[in-house]
Amino acid sequence: QKEVEQNSGPLSVPEGAIASLNCTYSDRGSQSFFWYRQYSGKSPELIMFIYSNGDKEDGRFTAQLNKASQYVSLLIRDSQPSDSATYLCAVNNAGNMLTFGGGTRLMVKP
Amino acid sequence: KAGVTQTPRYLIKTRGQQVTLSCSPISGHRSVSWYQQTPGQGLQFLFEYFSETQRNKGNFPGRFSGRQFSNSRSEMNVSTLELGDSALYLCASSRGHPDQETQYFGPGTRLLVL
Repeated sequence: QKEVEQNSGPLSVPEGAIASLNCTYSDRGSQSFFWYRQYSGKSPELIMFIYSNGDKEDGRFTAQLNKASQYVSLLIRDSQPSDSATYLCAVNNAGNMLTFGGGTRLMVKP
Repeated sequence: KAGVTQTPRYLIKTRGQQVTLSCSPISGHRSVSWYQQTPGQGLQFLFEYFSETQRNKGNFPGRFSGRQFSNSRSEMNVSTLELGDSALYLCASSRGHPDQETQYFGPGTRLLVL
């Protein structure tokens, strides 16, 4: 069973702080990794994808991948109340099948 | 560029009925994947279609089926509905080629089975 694990939260951070979201996966053969944001009652929205070890930055978001340790993380700098949502980590194990973690609920308090 | 569209957005059915959901992918995308999202099980992969062929299948019973048309639009069908089939059904499209696998989700169809 290929698994993706996330802390369900809620993770509460003050406005302007850095939010750090983590994800671990079990399949060493996984090649591509995705972070989606999902607001309550809405569908997942792609934030970032990462394929190679290291950091990838896009605006206030940084994805970090460590294949040796089998973890992916997402950093959100200067967190805003509008960032409050559930963040889903997804792993593409083979073909075009995404395996999702359970999601981490982030709350950014003004 | 228009995003992924799904119809209908909401549906109420009773046990034993069947339902068909539709998905139109982003223009140029040839892969359509279907997912089920429930509070208890989270997001789970149902199946993926590429060029009218089912390429991958998740661990769901045979009551769940799908197809893809030559214009890449896809439908999924659930027969003999059960209460546990109540969920948000999400469709995602991608180009479907290696290194072009980023999936973009539609708004979903919320199905309630009574």
